[in-house]
Amino acid sequence: AQSVTQPDIHITVSEGASLELRCNYSYGATPYLFWYVQSPGQGLQLLLKYFSGDTLVQGIKGFEAEFKRSQSSFNLRKPSVHWSDAAEYFCAVRRGGSARQLTFGSGTQLTVLP
Amino acid sequence: KAGVTQTPRYLIKTRGQQVTLSCSPISGHRSVSWYQQTPGQGLQFLFEYFSETQRNKGNFPGRFSGRQFSNSRSEMNVSTLELGDSALYLCASSFTSDNEQFFGPGTRLTVL
Repeated sequence: AQSVTQPDIHITVSEGASLELRCNYSYGATPYLFWYVQSPGQGLQLLLKYFSGDTLVQGIKGFEAEFKRSQSSFNLRKPSVHWSDAAEYFCAVRRGGSARQLTFGSGTQLTVLP
Repeated sequence: KAGVTQTPRYLIKTRGQQVTLSCSPISGHRSVSWYQQTPGQGLQFLFEYFSETQRNKGNFPGRFSGRQFSNSRSEMNVSTLELGDSALYLCASSFTSDNEQFFGPGTRLTVL
């Protein structure tokens, strides 16, 4: 079965600092990969996705992620964090074939210090 | 284009009752999926509907059910509520099952 690991439960960065959130997946073939962000009391907003092609994908709000097949990773990055980026971030994977549901990691809570 | 809408946003029920949650997908989207989010279990897949047919079902008891209407709107029902059913229930829609999913704001269900 596929699984997603986000090893960092909580990360704190200062505003203006760079950010990298880690995500590792377990799946035999190349999965479809996603990053979502959730603000308190809200639903999930899609930041970016990887289906195929260029392994460096750009998303909204200045985020990017890099797919590394050899490391089974899909880490999310942002060069300069803004206070409004404080939220919970979820990495998700979806298989191909008939099972199209998303499997989510446990999330990383991001705190941004002024 | 309007996003995914879910009603109601908040709901309080007591054990043993049943509840129905509603989801209206983005216009033109035909696939609707439901997820349960709790602090302990995280985000878990409940089921997916496409063109009024359930395509996939997660590992939840039969008390959890759903349906989809011809206009792609979907409802999920939970019967005989238990305290552990307290959660944020999220609905997501996509154009087809192979496209990215867009989430609604969720329905916060509290079971007392």
